[in-house]
Amino acid sequence: EAGVVQSPRYKIIEKKQPVAFWCNPISGHNTLYWYRQNLGQGPELLIRYENEEAVDDSQLPKDRFSAERLKGVDSTLKIQPAELGDSAVYLCASSSSSGSFGEQFFGPGTRLTVL
Amino acid sequence: AQSVTQLDSQVPVFEEAPVELRCNYSSSVSVYLFWYVQYPNQGLQLLLKYLSGSTLVESINGFEAEFNKSQTSFHLRKPSVHISDTAEYFCAVSRKNFGNEKLTFGTGTRLTIIP
Repeated sequence: EAGVVQSPRYKIIEKKQPVAFWCNPISGHNTLYWYRQNLGQGPELLIRYENEEAVDDSQLPKDRFSAERLKGVDSTLKIQPAELGDSAVYLCASSSSSGSFGEQFFGPGTRLTVL
Repeated sequence: AQSVTQLDSQVPVFEEAPVELRCNYSSSVSVYLFWYVQYPNQGLQLLLKYLSGSTLVESINGFEAEFNKSQTSFHLRKPSVHISDTAEYFCAVSRKNFGNEKLTFGTGTRLTIIP
């Protein structure tokens, strides 16, 4: 079974430029998460989807961040414009709604460097 | 809200020596508890979890963790470490019976094995 796929793995951009990250979850997983992991910190949730619906986006900086999950499968996270403080690893995770707990499977992440 | 504290940011241990990585949590409701491991340039992998029942849980590679409700702790232990255990370890919680909601992570402990 294929795991969570993310691309690109690395991205270097200059500040004020736009950037997008893509995630394909494990087949059949209805719940998709985007986390941000700053250097030396644990991951923090940005947004959670149940199928196509964003059910928790309270920590998403909506002035510059946007996300979509069309057709309830893969998802894109966008930053426009990027700031220096956005440098981090962006992790995508997915889980199955059939479980009673949130066992989440993580992708390898996209390491973003903003210069 | 939940919070997780991992007091040790780095733990150096000699090969074949025992190790304990500490994790304490705070929550107003019952939680599930997790340990994730992150190897260099890889995503997070679930190491072990406590959902209910026996307070001592074990992984397939020799790690164990014990849930202590009175001390709100979930420390990770291994009696004899190997070079391949070098990684970053994250303790995490999620609220019980809240479906597939987010994980709240600690800041991580970097385990370094000294040959």
